[in-house]
Amino acid sequence: GQQVMQIPQYQHVQEGEDFTTYCNSSTTLSNIQWYKQRPGGHPVFLIQLVKSGEVKKQKRLTFQFGEAKKNSSLHITATQTTDVGTYFCAANTGNQFYFGTGTSLTVIP
Amino acid sequence: NAGVTQTPKFRILKIGQSMTLQCAQDMNHNYMYWYRQDPGMGLKLIYYSVGAGITDKGEVPNGYNVSRSTTEDFPLRLELAAPSQTSVYFCASTRGQGILETQYFGPGTRLLVL
Repeated sequence: GQQVMQIPQYQHVQEGEDFTTYCNSSTTLSNIQWYKQRPGGHPVFLIQLVKSGEVKKQKRLTFQFGEAKKNSSLHITATQTTDVGTYFCAANTGNQFYFGTGTSLTVIP
Repeated sequence: NAGVTQTPKFRILKIGQSMTLQCAQDMNHNYMYWYRQDPGMGLKLIYYSVGAGITDKGEVPNGYNVSRSTTEDFPLRLELAAPSQTSVYFCASTRGQGILETQYFGPGTRLLVL
């Protein structure tokens, strides 16, 4: 099956610092999706990237899809305590979704 | 719309017991999925269904069974619970097939097998 690796596994930042998580695949992806899971909650869809080199922004969040469509990143500028949670990337093959292991973000006030 | 609902929220089982995790969606979605999430890990696909009467195995199907008699419901059955099945189980659905589809998740069922 599709292998999607995600780093780092954990990240602690001071409130106001930036945060980045990376998603990597050994094969070319048709798309990449990002989900956020709050502690004790369920994954919630954030965004989808489809085109090579695509960049999308949601307020302080910036999502990128690599030129070769094998990697992606999520960058949060000036983190806030509301950003706490685990961020997952996922590759959608049409029938199945393959999730990365996630990056758990802790924001220290 | 309630979206995707799951019951129970939490359950403790003894080794060898059986149980059914319920999942329902009211969005008329064709595709439904069952995942398990172990602590600090990502989501692993157990089974999925592309429509009523059609199910297929995911990455980790051993020890589980599913059925899809209606579009709305997709129950997951554990026949002989084992400690390795201690996990959080999420049900999800999508409208259809295709790379532009996104998943809607239920709130999860936390299962502890002792």
